Order: sequence, then structure tokens, then C-alpha cells
Amino acid sequence: SQTIHQWPATLVQPVGSPLSLECTVEGTSNPNLYWYRQAAGRGLQLLFYSVGIGQISSEVPQNLSASRPQDRQFILSSKKLLLSDSGFYLCAWRARLDGELFFGEGSRLTVL
Amino acid sequence: KNEVEQSPQNLTAQEGEFITINCSYSVGISALHWLQQHPGGGIVSLFMLSSGKKKHGRLIATINIQEKHSSLHITASHPRDSAVYICAALYGNKLVFGAGTILRVKS
Repeated sequence: SQTIHQWPATLVQPVGSPLSLECTVEGTSNPNLYWYRQAAGRGLQLLFYSVGIGQISSEVPQNLSASRPQDRQFILSSKKLLLSDSGFYLCAWRARLDGELFFGEGSRLTVL
Repeated sequence: KNEVEQSPQNLTAQEGEFITINCSYSVGISALHWLQQHPGGGIVSLFMLSSGKKKHGRLIATINIQEKHSSLHITASHPRDSAVYICAALYGNKLVFGAGTILRVKS
């Protein structure tokens, strides 16, 4: 079956610390993968998307980066977190065959 | 520019009412999704459309390609329908979300 796992679910980090959020998918191959951020009271903003291993498209210039080291693994990182990085981060994947969308459980990041 | 505009931003309805949420997008999409986000943040996919109309239970989604417009309808609304409804458009491989519509159905 097709599933997506995202972790950690919650994270409290000090300003200037690094970040790593991970997302893995099962039950598919060569999916399109996406990272979104939702600030409090706002809509989902596209951060990065990937159509294949090592292929990353960045939508918003900022101190975040993404990597896709394996076909079903998508990682969101930062070397130094800012207060403005706080929010709800969501990983999603879109099946190439039928276009269905699947979403991770989300990661709530608080930067203090 | 790859945009997705949703309206209304907030919607309060009485149980049983017919509800419509609207979505407009720019030229060049290959698919449009309607999604539901629950209070905890989890998102589920309701519909994927490229043309015409789809129905699932009390939910109906339509898309008008010429008008670049899609609607989500909820018939006989119920308090359990209260959630955020989001329209998302696929521009090539880029999936762009609308800001969402916060729906509250009162009993």
C-alpha cells in the first residue's frame, strides 16, 4: 500500500541550531515529492519540490535546503534556524501514474 | 505567474445548508486537487480533476477549463464537515496551494 512517513512530529529548537526533517514514502517509485510550510493562520507555502534523485527545485529563497538522496526519501534541512522558521512543515508526494496526492503527518517546529 | 485564489476565506453555515467554495487559477494547469485539512493539521485528498465533474457522497467538485475556475460543493452540510478546504493546482510538476477556506458548520 502507498504510505508516507514524516518525522519528527514536533520539534523545539533554539535560534541558530540546525534542522533536519525527513520524509519517506512506500508503495511507489519515482514520485514527485514536495515540502510545504504553513505559518500560523496562513496557507501552505511551497518550499521545494523534486522530480527525481538529486533534483531539487526551490521556490522560496531562504535559509532552508532540501535533498533527495534516494528515490523515496526527501529531507528538509537548515544550518542555522531563524525565529521565522517556526511553523508546520508538511511533506507530500504525487504519484506519477494516476496523480493521486498523499500527505505526511506534518512536523510542528518551534524556534525559540 | 502560477497562482491559486480561493474564496471565501471564512465560511459559517447552518447544518443542512448547501455550501460552495470557489477556486481560480492561472493558465497552464494539468490537474486540480481539492483537499481537506483537519484541526490537527493532517490533510486528505478529496478530488483530483482535469475536466468535468466528480461526486463522492455529499461532495461535488466541478471544473471549468475555459473560465479557469473550480468549485467544491457540499450538500446537506453537517458539523463534521467543519475543516479547512484547500484547492491545489498542478503547474507542470509544481503543486501550488490556495490559502484555504475555513468552514464551520453549526448545528
